[in-house]
Amino acid sequence: QVQLEESGPGLMQPSETLSLTCTVSGFSLTSNGVGWVRQPLGKGLVWMGTIWAGGSTNYNSAVQSRLSISRDTSKSQVFLKMNSLQPEDTGTYYCARHTRGYGNYDYFDYWGQGVMVTVSS
Amino acid sequence: DIQMTQTPSSMPASLGERVTISCRASQDISNYLNWYQQKPDGTIKPLIYYTSTLQSGVPSRFSGSGSGTDYSLTISSLEPEDFAMYYCQQYDSSPYTFGAGTKLELK
Repeated sequence: QVQLEESGPGLMQPSETLSLTCTVSGFSLTSNGVGWVRQPLGKGLVWMGTIWAGGSTNYNSAVQSRLSISRDTSKSQVFLKMNSLQPEDTGTYYCARHTRGYGNYDYFDYWGQGVMVTVSS
Repeated sequence: DIQMTQTPSSMPASLGERVTISCRASQDISNYLNWYQQKPDGTIKPLIYYTSTLQSGVPSRFSGSGSGTDYSLTISSLEPEDFAMYYCQQYDSSPYTFGAGTKLELK
């Protein structure tokens, strides 16, 4: 079955670079996209970016200058790197399979459990 | 960016009640609208995509409708497991944006 699992450090210092890994199973990264969505504490969901099946990426312009999403298809892993962290980057980070196709659908059909990241000195 | 406004932000309701959550986009999104449910433990799952298509495995008591800028999610008869957060999300244009959420609470 399709599964996604996020991993990474729980506590970061301001100005540091965050590195998260999303390990997937049950599908191929060369057939499906994977997106990152974050949720600030007590707030709503914010799409950060997606790496598509072909390897191209799209980013939210709000974080584009600080964000990089890459992958290792042999390990079924997707990586998020975001630099210049600030306390407002605190929240839960989710990876999700990003599915789209003919018939006008485009949505996140499977989600990981999320990983909490705290940015504090 | 397209702004998504969900109403209400919270909704007390009873078991068996019919409820409707609304989502308004800041511009026409041509039915490119999804709904998600988030449980208190953080688990997120899709309910409806492309305005009204039910995700596989989602009970038929969930339905979606709308067009243009106005969309809604309806639960025909609330079950205990339905008390959760609900988010709409547009995919008409990048960046994908979500509504602020509606918390469905037991009355």
